[in-house]
Amino acid sequence: NAGVTQTPKFQVLKTGQSMTLQCAQDMNHNSMYWYRQDPGMGLRLIYYSASEGTTDKGEVPNGYNVSRLNKREFSLRLESAAPSQTSVYFCASSEGGLQGANVLTFGAGSRLTVL
Amino acid sequence: AQRVTQPEKLLSVFKGAPVELKCNYSYSGSPELFWYVQYSRQRLQLLLRHISRESIKGFTADLNKGETSFHLKKPFAQEEDSAMYYCALSGPLTYKYIFGTGTRLKVLA
Repeated sequence: NAGVTQTPKFQVLKTGQSMTLQCAQDMNHNSMYWYRQDPGMGLRLIYYSASEGTTDKGEVPNGYNVSRLNKREFSLRLESAAPSQTSVYFCASSEGGLQGANVLTFGAGSRLTVL
Repeated sequence: AQRVTQPEKLLSVFKGAPVELKCNYSYSGSPELFWYVQYSRQRLQLLLRHISRESIKGFTADLNKGETSFHLKKPFAQEEDSAMYYCALSGPLTYKYIFGTGTRLKVLA
């Protein structure tokens, strides 16, 4: 039972390069999330997708785009990476549904360094 | 605006001492409150949620709507409790899920 799988685990980019972080869940969850984790800042919500076909901005969406490819997959794209985007990125999912967000299941994280 | 505040970045206690990790929130309405924990080299995982009203690993948390707080407590800390603890909030019928800045708990032998 894989749960939430993120790739890659580590990535080093140069300023201005682009890349996509992939996330997939096998729990038939409706909602998916991308967070970044920075020292002293905790977890900050970048984008979320309440259900397949919808995406919404979180607290820190600038510099990122997302795609909810299908119910299983939710990708995060950096079009032109900046050093300020150096962080650990976490994907999460939840059942969602009419009652709201519910409990989150997290991936292992992706450590991104932008030089 | 939705906001979760964890005032302590680091909390150090001795083994066997009581622990209280503070969490205050701002939300117009009735939120759902959660505590998540991240042990070293492990994934973030749910510790407990206020609607369950249960004790997990000896931890409890009571939602105080008057003080808008959801403090996490344990009467006797254990070394294995050392971890990063995050308080989180989500509104009913919404999907925006906000975390606090986290508190690192160190339990000293």
